[in-house]
Amino acid sequence: GAVVSQHPSRVICKSGTSVKIECRSLDFQATTMFWYRQFPKQSLMLMATSNEGSKATYEQGVEKDKFLINHASLTLSTLTVTSAHPEDSSFYICSAQKESGGNNQPQHFGDGTRLSIL
Amino acid sequence: GENVEQHPSTLSVQEGDSAVIKCTYSDSASNYFPWYKQELGKRPQLIIDIRSNVGEKKDQRIAVTLNKTAKHFSLHITETQPEDSAVYFCAALKGGYSTLTFGKGTMLLVSP
Repeated sequence: GAVVSQHPSRVICKSGTSVKIECRSLDFQATTMFWYRQFPKQSLMLMATSNEGSKATYEQGVEKDKFLINHASLTLSTLTVTSAHPEDSSFYICSAQKESGGNNQPQHFGDGTRLSIL
Repeated sequence: GENVEQHPSTLSVQEGDSAVIKCTYSDSASNYFPWYKQELGKRPQLIIDIRSNVGEKKDQRIAVTLNKTAKHFSLHITETQPEDSAVYFCAALKGGYSTLTFGKGTMLLVSP
């Protein structure tokens, strides 16, 4: 299998709070994990690519100081939304790709985190 | 960079009919094309994928075709069922650990 676990599934917090989301590959090693953001009725927008042991690669327009990514091991990546504001409310989804020589392995998604900032 | 166009944005069919969703991509170097199904509030789930060395792949009621020359690929669902109702996303990837580029999604509604 290829199971990706994401926690928490739902967060409701006050403006100014920092929120950490964890993404774990449970039964495989993932050199690379991806973080997406999805607004209602829209597609998945890639925020950043998380590489184990190195700095994340952020997509254009995504503030790296706002969305901190840490990929400390081959099975865990975290996304921290710092000083979250209502406009950061969204559905955040991670995905992980099996480490297999980089030969077009599919991405497997976590369950997502619905973040609501009051 | 890669650009993936997906049509239609919504598709309504009667149970038992076939459904076809089409995508085009811009980067001829793309060589891997997965399709994901996403139910409301849930994770995208990989339902089928195709690599550029084949033109068609089938898995029960689901099939995907790829035309590399025209740079388009399609998802075909036969004998649709109400539980097929969801948003379907196509995507394209250039290879290795490149990033996936997603289409905007197609909301499929299958009426009983």
